[in-house]
Amino acid sequence: GAVVSQHPSWVICKSGTSVKIECRSLDFQATTMFWYRQFPKQSLMLMATSNEGSKATYEQGVEKDKFLINHASLTLSTLTVTSAHPEDSSFYICSAPSESYEQYFGPGTRLTVT
Amino acid sequence: GEDVEQSLFLSVREGDSSVINCTYTDSSSTYLYWYKQEPGAGLQLLTYIFSNMDMKQDQRLTVLLNKKDKHLSLRIADTQTGDSAIYFCAERSGGYNKLIFGAGTRLAVHP
Repeated sequence: GAVVSQHPSWVICKSGTSVKIECRSLDFQATTMFWYRQFPKQSLMLMATSNEGSKATYEQGVEKDKFLINHASLTLSTLTVTSAHPEDSSFYICSAPSESYEQYFGPGTRLTVT
Repeated sequence: GEDVEQSLFLSVREGDSSVINCTYTDSSSTYLYWYKQEPGAGLQLLTYIFSNMDMKQDQRLTVLLNKKDKHLSLRIADTQTGDSAIYFCAERSGGYNKLIFGAGTRLAVHP
């Protein structure tokens, strides 16, 4: 099946700094990618839809200035957590739909803000 | 609005069948998915079913869809210890590709 990668897989940063997470579709093009956030032992919460060539669409309650999304190409979307705080610590997962309506998920990035 | 609900925990004996249930509210759902997540890992797509289907079978996995009741189930035959994980049900609503997830069912397989 299709593969979606994320980088880094794990990052620790200090409070107040910014962190960039990359999501790549390795063997297919994705005009749309999705960013989710998952707290321990909880479900995935959709944060935003990343659109190639246009602005991201954010879900209600998600701060667009806090979580910057850039869909740089048909295979790359980035999520930047700006001025990170300990409450931003979470597991961030991206996904990309293929042409056959299957949706593939990246392995996730664990962010810890100290 | 869109909502997906699952039971939170299921415990089965190795070799038995597991049935994980899910209900959803959006009648315009076009595809419904089952994903598996192991500790510290991302989501693995197990199977999906189109809304005009009643059943889909793939090796040990059987998906049943009751569109009238908005009920989806995943049956795992001959459950193994390697099947222990969290299973998420998700619906794809309308014309959008975004998925709405249930809370996940933790499957524990014991000898």
